[in-house]
Amino acid sequence: DAGVIQSPRHEVTEMGQEVTLRCKPISGHDYLFWYRQTMMRGLELLIYFNNNVPIDDSGMPEDRFSAKMPNASFSTLKIQPSEPRDSAVYFCASSFSDSPEIWSQHFGDGTRLSIL
Amino acid sequence: AQSVTQPDIHITVSEGASLELRCNYSYGATPYLFWYVQSPGQGLQLLLKYFSGDTLVQGIKGFEAEFKRSQSSFNLRKPSVHWSDAAEYFCAVGASGGSYIPTFGRGTSLIVHP
Repeated sequence: DAGVIQSPRHEVTEMGQEVTLRCKPISGHDYLFWYRQTMMRGLELLIYFNNNVPIDDSGMPEDRFSAKMPNASFSTLKIQPSEPRDSAVYFCASSFSDSPEIWSQHFGDGTRLSIL
Repeated sequence: AQSVTQPDIHITVSEGASLELRCNYSYGATPYLFWYVQSPGQGLQLLLKYFSGDTLVQGIKGFEAEFKRSQSSFNLRKPSVHWSDAAEYFCAVGASGGSYIPTFGRGTSLIVHP
């Protein structure tokens, strides 16, 4: 039973470069969440989708961040241009809309992003 | 809006000792409660959840948690800790009638001494 799959697991790039993070949710899950985790701020919700439609992007730090979900099995989080303060671990999670399981999120292993 | 407090940033126990990690929540109605574990370099894994019914819930890896409405708590316990339990533990709460986003605590780091 495949879980949430994220790629790449690690990304190291230079400031100013475009970064694209990828996520494949669990099949049948209709909610998808992007989080960022840092020591200073903990786990922060960036954006979430329901049935491929963005519902709340108020957590996206600024216009350099964008996220898309072109279909039920794929989502991307893009940072352009990247800055050193974007260095963090980015998690994707998914859940199924059958209440109360909707709050039961399944996380990927994350992408550790380092911007030099 | 609901909130979650994990009072302990770090907990240190000896291998074989019992463990209790504290979680307090703030919400007017009955919440949905969760405990997640994050091992180094990995994502959050669901340990257990409480929706309704029996207030003592069993989870994976030998963990259990008890919902105490009077204390607004959902503490995580394990009778005998193994070195592999060293990880970060997160408590989370969901609220019926609110958004579908669980609120996560800041986490408790568990250190296990041999």
